[in-house]
Amino acid sequence: QSALTQPPSASGSPGQSVTISCTGTSSDVGGYNYVSWYQQHPGKAPKLMIYEVSKRPSGVPDRFSGSKSGNTASLTVSGLQADDEADYYCSSYAGSDVRVFGGGTKLTFL
Amino acid sequence: QVQLVQSGSELKKPGASVKVSCKASGYTFTSYGMNWVRQAPGQGLEWMGWINTNSGNPTYAQGFTGRFVFSLDTSVSTAYLQISSLKAEDTAVYYCARDSITTFDYWGQGTLVTVSS
Repeated sequence: QSALTQPPSASGSPGQSVTISCTGTSSDVGGYNYVSWYQQHPGKAPKLMIYEVSKRPSGVPDRFSGSKSGNTASLTVSGLQADDEADYYCSSYAGSDVRVFGGGTKLTFL
Repeated sequence: QVQLVQSGSELKKPGASVKVSCKASGYTFTSYGMNWVRQAPGQGLEWMGWINTNSGNPTYAQGFTGRFVFSLDTSVSTAYLQISSLKAEDTAVYYCARDSITTFDYWGQGTLVTVSS
């Protein structure tokens, strides 16, 4: 099972929006609406930000949104804030009880 | 509230074994599966597999068969990851993460395993 493809880095200015992509195949991202996004600050455990493509857990700001088109899922962070600087990982169900992560994207401020 | 508390950092020599624990609280342990995720230094997250906490049946990802074993003690709501014949490349932070069927909704704080002679 190959890792999902994410850009290594993304950047934006405070207050702007940034979108991170996550590309898989029809066997994972394209085949199921089970894409999740996780935020990880340095030295910390990952935190769930989006699940089932576009749902937000309680407590996650609505500045974070998710979508999917074909084999590519996307995470959009609007109104960038200082605390949004972090690594972001996507994951997807890939059938037969298998999960797969993306390689991660480091989000930084310009 | 849901909590997953992992055991502390470990320093092991090559060839040794290590057992990492993940104690769950705040929910019915056998109602959710448990995943294990590896993060090598400076690298991304890698799914190692999961264990069905109801049946005890493990599923291992490619690359994590043979030396890696998932186990449970449901009497104390704890999941375990055991790694045998440790190699330097096993040096990583290992996370447990609760399986909410469609996502990993709660994570442990991580356990650093360092393999060095």
